[in-house]
Amino acid sequence: EDQVTQSPEALRLQEGESSSLNCSYTVSGLRGLFWYRQDPGKGPEFLFTLYSAGEEKEKERLKATLTKKESFLHITAPKPEDSATYLCAVQGDQSGGSYIPTFGRGTSLIVHP
Amino acid sequence: NAGVTQTPKFQVLKTGQSMTLQCAQDMNHNSMYWYRQDPGMGLRLIYYSASEGTTDKGEVPNGYNVSRLNKREFSLRLESAAPSQTSVYFCASSEASGVNGYTFGSGTRLTVV
Repeated sequence: EDQVTQSPEALRLQEGESSSLNCSYTVSGLRGLFWYRQDPGKGPEFLFTLYSAGEEKEKERLKATLTKKESFLHITAPKPEDSATYLCAVQGDQSGGSYIPTFGRGTSLIVHP
Repeated sequence: NAGVTQTPKFQVLKTGQSMTLQCAQDMNHNSMYWYRQDPGMGLRLIYYSASEGTTDKGEVPNGYNVSRLNKREFSLRLESAAPSQTSVYFCASSEASGVNGYTFGSGTRLTVV
């Protein structure tokens, strides 16, 4: 069974204070690891897919990295508008061809001005 | 481009009442999904439809039914609502493999009293 654990559950930063969110996972045959951003009262918004260890992707102040056991979402010089819950999900090789991802519970990030 | 549209946005039901949550996507995606999100539990899959004409149970299907009306529309029905079904419901869609991530709707906040 695929498992995803995100840490910390909550993170408070000052504007400009860089940090990282962690996503640890176990999966049988990784097809993709996904990061989403979710704002209060809205649905998750897709950010990145990482496919193999060593891969990195960037979007504005966000950079996602992947190893064989975990992924990090690095936030450089965050701004208040980066405040959101960040969700990680993994998709593995599952029998029957139903590639349903397993989601973590998320990290709630608050960036203070 | 609307993406994934869910209706209604808010609903209050009495125990035992029934209702249908509607979802439509305009991205020509093959696969559609219904999730519920509860505090501390993360996203849990209720039902999904890998392609038009097929539906399958997810992690928490009890008390729900679904209909894939056509390629665009996927509805979720609560036949006899219970307080345990108080939650935020999200519809999502994706390409068949899902490796490019999901597109989520903005959610329906359902309260059962």
